[in-house]
Amino acid sequence: DAGITQSPRHKVTETGTPVTLRCHQTENHRYMYWYRQDPGHGLRLIHYSYGVKDTDKGEVSDGYSVSRSKTEDFLLTLESATSSQTSVYFCAIVQVPNTEAFFGQGTRLTVV
Amino acid sequence: TQLLEQSPQFLSIQEGENLTVYCNSSSVFSSLQWYRQEPGEGPVLLVTVVTGGEVKKLKRLTFQFGDARKDSSLHITAAQPGDTGLYLCAGAATDSWGKLQFGAGTQVVVTP
Repeated sequence: DAGITQSPRHKVTETGTPVTLRCHQTENHRYMYWYRQDPGHGLRLIHYSYGVKDTDKGEVSDGYSVSRSKTEDFLLTLESATSSQTSVYFCAIVQVPNTEAFFGQGTRLTVV
Repeated sequence: TQLLEQSPQFLSIQEGENLTVYCNSSSVFSSLQWYRQEPGEGPVLLVTVVTGGEVKKLKRLTFQFGDARKDSSLHITAAQPGDTGLYLCAGAATDSWGKLQFGAGTQVVVTP
């Protein structure tokens, strides 16, 4: 157990509304990642963080922003949700140097 | 186009048969990981391979890292229903460390 908690676990929201997903870890890991998982695409990297206030974009970052003001929390925000952002979102901590990832339980987001 | 290409996408076999899943890329990786994911859960790390040509065994699972560190394979001997799941390979290319990316996954179904 890597001590990763995602909230909420499920959410239904309307198109155009802002949504924030939270990832909380208890073990002081430096690297935290957000992925989305869709059928046929596996896990796609949205954003990642390598320290407080240090973040970088992944392969599908458009429409998403992140913030990391404390080591333990990594927030993913959809500024204006669209139906194409309906997905399962996973947070992970990544251990170096071999980039081994440990995941939270996921958040199922539905945009209607 | 995904950085890591997995094949096949789907594999259905009978209990006791063998299977092999492939993970290929044109990029070089300092390490590759294999994960297994069950429905409704996050991926769970199975193994990390680091050295070109390396072979690792985990009970009936054998993992191999290509000599050039661009590809990997997972072989399951005498598959059991408990091996059913989504198998994912992942890695961060040496020229973009930090961007841990995943293949699209191979869904394995083992029937009794």
